[in-house]
Amino acid sequence: SQQGEEDPQALSIQEGENATMNCSYKTSINNLQWYRQNSGRGLVHLILIRSNEREKHSGRLRVTLDTSKKSSSLLITASRAADTASYFCATDVIDNFNKFYFGSGTKLNVKP
Amino acid sequence: NAGVMQNPRHLVRRRGQEARLRCSPMKGHSHVYWYRQLPEEGLKFMVYLQKENIIDESGMPKERFSAEFPKEGPSILRIQQVVRGDSAAYFCASSPPAGGANVLTFGAGSRLTVL
Repeated sequence: SQQGEEDPQALSIQEGENATMNCSYKTSINNLQWYRQNSGRGLVHLILIRSNEREKHSGRLRVTLDTSKKSSSLLITASRAADTASYFCATDVIDNFNKFYFGSGTKLNVKP
Repeated sequence: NAGVMQNPRHLVRRRGQEARLRCSPMKGHSHVYWYRQLPEEGLKFMVYLQKENIIDESGMPKERFSAEFPKEGPSILRIQQVVRGDSAAYFCASSPPAGGANVLTFGAGSRLTVL
């Protein structure tokens, strides 16, 4: 079965607040990635974290990975209305870098 | 660099007809993936191809669905005898040749509506 489940399913915050989304997965991985999808559009890659990394930053994004708990979190700091989108985690399969599974996503609404 | 190009963006078919969705990967990318997304849901892996070779089709329904990535031209996802349950957004993604952590570049999707 495909792995990678995000929670919460939906999150509504005010502009300026931080948004935290979580992802859990089932089997060992090489890498975990986060993608963003604006309504009606394709997915855009945000950040990749390798299985031997614990934390990674990119601008206002901070990703953590806990391989012992098989979980990751995405933190968006100082959110903006333009951050409104669905966010998905994607995991590959150990020893197979080229097969990716996506969760069902967290729908983030940032109110101006 | 035009990115991943999918067409058509929207396709309407009646039950029993065939749907053909096309995907041209990014320049330099040799791997193509097809995913299906139902409304308000995540992406479900369907198939992963290289040119002239299906690498993994474990997510493809056994009947009516097929995919190809010929030596020349785009990758095609073909759905024969469509049913209402095939209505979904179909996304294509591409990645560079294998060799480490690959990032997927997605197209804008093809939205299939079956009447």
